[in-house]
Amino acid sequence: GQNIDQPTEMTATEGAIVQINCTYQTSGFNGLFWYQQHAGEAPTFLSYNVLDGLEEKGRFSSFLSRSKGYSYLLLKELQMKDSASYLCAVMDSNYQLIWGAGTKLIIKP
Amino acid sequence: IAGITQAPTSQILAAGRRMTLRCTQDMRHNAMYWYRQDLGLGLRLIHYSNTAGTTGKGEVPDGYSVSRANTDDFPLTLASAVPSQTSVYFCASSDSLAGGNEQFFGPGTRLTVL
Repeated sequence: GQNIDQPTEMTATEGAIVQINCTYQTSGFNGLFWYQQHAGEAPTFLSYNVLDGLEEKGRFSSFLSRSKGYSYLLLKELQMKDSASYLCAVMDSNYQLIWGAGTKLIIKP
Repeated sequence: IAGITQAPTSQILAAGRRMTLRCTQDMRHNAMYWYRQDLGLGLRLIHYSNTAGTTGKGEVPDGYSVSRANTDDFPLTLASAVPSQTSVYFCASSDSLAGGNEQFFGPGTRLTVL
């Protein structure tokens, strides 16, 4: 079966750095997405990785290792507004997104 | 304002009733999707459409139907609602089905079936 694993909840301090991991087992691979979802709102796109390596976008970076079935989202200089759930999703061989349950990130002052 | 709209925002429905959730996008995207989101689970794809006139089944299609008469609209119908269909429903769209095209999500419909 297809499976996306990520931690249920993480806590970090304002101004610090946090890394959210995602491991996956899917039927085929056509890229990995990270989305942010604030409570009661819709998911919004953060990043896309299809090749191995690090993609940097401002305070957020995303890393992919296809051979290990592994990705992480790195958030730097954490702000209170970063408190949200972070969703990892893999596009499978049918071009359908398989989603993890999300990691709830709690930022403390 | 460009984006996706969904209606209604929330609904309480008696079991056995028929319900249509509406979704409209104005980005001229070819692909559209319906997901449900349940506590502790990832988003699950119900149905999708690659282009106007075509639809496909996702991971959890049973009890739901869709149509895609034009590019902009993608309604989701529950023919006879059951309590297990209580969920938050998100409509999304992307430029195409393939590759790294990000999906844009509507604000969601919170549905409760009693």
